[in-house]
Amino acid sequence: NAGVMQNPRHLVRRRGQEARLRCSPMKGHSHVYWYRQLPEEGLKFMVYLQKENIIDESGMPKERFSAEFPKEGPSILRIQQVVRGDSAAYFCASSPRREGSEQYFGPGTRLTVT
Amino acid sequence: RKEVEQDPGPFNVPEGATVAFNCTYSNSASQSFFWYRQDCRKEPKLLMSVYSSGNEDGRFTAQLNRASQYISLLIRDSKLSDSATYLCVALSYNTDKLIFGTGTRLQVFP
Repeated sequence: NAGVMQNPRHLVRRRGQEARLRCSPMKGHSHVYWYRQLPEEGLKFMVYLQKENIIDESGMPKERFSAEFPKEGPSILRIQQVVRGDSAAYFCASSPRREGSEQYFGPGTRLTVT
Repeated sequence: RKEVEQDPGPFNVPEGATVAFNCTYSNSASQSFFWYRQDCRKEPKLLMSVYSSGNEDGRFTAQLNRASQYISLLIRDSKLSDSATYLCVALSYNTDKLIFGTGTRLQVFP
């Protein structure tokens, strides 16, 4: 059973470009969570999605950030017009159910904005 | 005040030592608790869930005190490979968000 997969593992973008981060949950998991970890800081929740639904996006910046989890295919975190402050590690986690579930993390995408 | 607070460390201990980490949480609505381990520049990995009755997994013992809103992790007979950052995590009952502490760094030396 493959774990949570994320790609790309490393992404370099210039200021103003768009970044697209992909996450494929573990087989059988329909709940996906995105987290951001800034250098030397803890992980911060961004958004929680189920298939075709955003359940909680309270941790997402209001502008430039969006997320989706379509019926088919991976979950996508999109950052438009990136700025240097977006440089961070972005982790995706998945769980098989909602209540009190343990979450399993992917290897992360390290975004560097130059 | 942060929802989950941990001593950042670092804790520098020799091989074979016993080390304990503490964590406090402020949201009484937190439902479940976990300890995750994160190696440098890697993803967090679930170490163990934390139950009110206390639970043990090999050299690792976790305890939860709901009255004091306090969680602990005890590592016995430390190994070099235990060197990592240990993240205390609370799962909110209402939102299913994992709330992470900033982690406690452990360095085990020979």
